[in-house]
Amino acid sequence: ILNVEQSPQSLHVQEGDSTNFTCSFPSSNFYALHWYRWETAKSPEALFVMTLNGDEKKKGRISATLNTKEGYSYLYIKGSQPEDSATYLCAFLGGSYIPTFGRGTSLIVHP
Amino acid sequence: DTAVSQTPKYLVTQMGNDKSIKCEQNLGHDTMYWYKQDSKKFLKIMFSYNNKELIINETVPNRFSPKSPDKAHLNLHINSLELGDSAVYFCASSQPGLAGGPYQETQYFGPGTRLLVL
Repeated sequence: ILNVEQSPQSLHVQEGDSTNFTCSFPSSNFYALHWYRWETAKSPEALFVMTLNGDEKKKGRISATLNTKEGYSYLYIKGSQPEDSATYLCAFLGGSYIPTFGRGTSLIVHP
Repeated sequence: DTAVSQTPKYLVTQMGNDKSIKCEQNLGHDTMYWYKQDSKKFLKIMFSYNNKELIINETVPNRFSPKSPDKAHLNLHINSLELGDSAVYFCASSQPGLAGGPYQETQYFGPGTRLLVL
């Protein structure tokens, strides 16, 4: 059983704050790491696919970094807005190509 | 236009019944998946099909049988439903190979089917 951990489990921030959270995964047999944004009562939407050590990806105010050697990825949100409130999921793909999801970080941005 | 659609959205049924959930994607993707979101909101893969062929079959009871009549459809049939089958089931699709590998591509999820077994 692969261990994909996300921390913190939940996060409350004020509008305008910048925040970040972590996805930890096995550092061996790395294939890819996905980040998804999951709003309540909707389905997960893809944010990033990261494949190379040192990758940095950016979409608007959201960015992510990847360290495959130590087995972690950070997701950053700059200047959080209430519409950023969602659960952020990471999914690790190893040698078997079977995606293993973390339990997510639930972000609530207060106006 | 909905990219990945599932029917029904809600399904309430009695224990012991047989039911099916349908999934269709109009993205032209080759790979489709079924996921189960358990009571702790944990998303776990059940099956994956690539071009109508089963490629991932996680430890799922035999009562669950996926069927892919063509690459745009992946249906999930569940026999003899049990209380523990109550969950949200998500279908997803992806197109392998664009980023250089079969599973590096992002997945596009359907809206989910909320199954309640009484």
